[in-house]
Amino acid sequence: QVQLQESGPGLLKPSETLSLTCTVSGGSISGYYWSWIRQTPGKGLEWIAYIYYLGTTHYNPSLTSRVTISLDTSKNQFSLKLTSVTAADTAVYFCARDFGMSGGTYYDAFHIWGQGTVVTVSS
Amino acid sequence: QSVLTQPPSVSGAPGQRVTISCTGSSSNIGAGYDVHWYQQLPGSAPKLLIYGQTNRPSGVPDRFSGSKSGTSASLAITGLQAEDEADYYCQSYDSSLTAWVFGGGTKLTVL
Repeated sequence: QVQLQESGPGLLKPSETLSLTCTVSGGSISGYYWSWIRQTPGKGLEWIAYIYYLGTTHYNPSLTSRVTISLDTSKNQFSLKLTSVTAADTAVYFCARDFGMSGGTYYDAFHIWGQGTVVTVSS
Repeated sequence: QSVLTQPPSVSGAPGQRVTISCTGSSSNIGAGYDVHWYQQLPGSAPKLLIYGQTNRPSGVPDRFSGSKSGTSASLAITGLQAEDEADYYCQSYDSSLTAWVFGGGTKLTVL
């Protein structure tokens, strides 16, 4: 079955750029929307961005000025870049895949999740 | 403050039925966007429990069910088991924010 695995540095200093990669195994990137979601004790779960397998992207307006999501279909990976990080960006970052089509209907639920990676921003 | 409002906690004894509410507005649930529910065990990623208001992914017991009415949705768990103790989140799309949004989460305690 499809599995997702996040990777990237766990500790950053303020003003640095966060770079995370999600590797998709057991299936293809084709046909789905791929998202980044983060979780903090204070703000809970926050959707950050998605990229469709054809390259269409959409960002959370609250983060759009600092976020870039990209896709590498040859490696079955997608990535997140978040610039100018602050302590407020300290969170567990998850990558996730949508549910897709079922019974002729598209569902935008987050079906498959990575295990999450802890990112801490501290000087 | 989350866009979707959930009670911080609910509890029930083994075997009982509990419900968790998720209250939104006319720009998300009330606008007709799908509601999905997730279960998160400590230290784990969220797991999709209900999609499209009422549908269960393969492998999710039928003790879990969902419903939606107006600007709210609910998750019901019957025959409560100790293993159901977890955090539960609702999720939808908000057209005003143009973003997918989550509820603040509800901690279920099995007494």
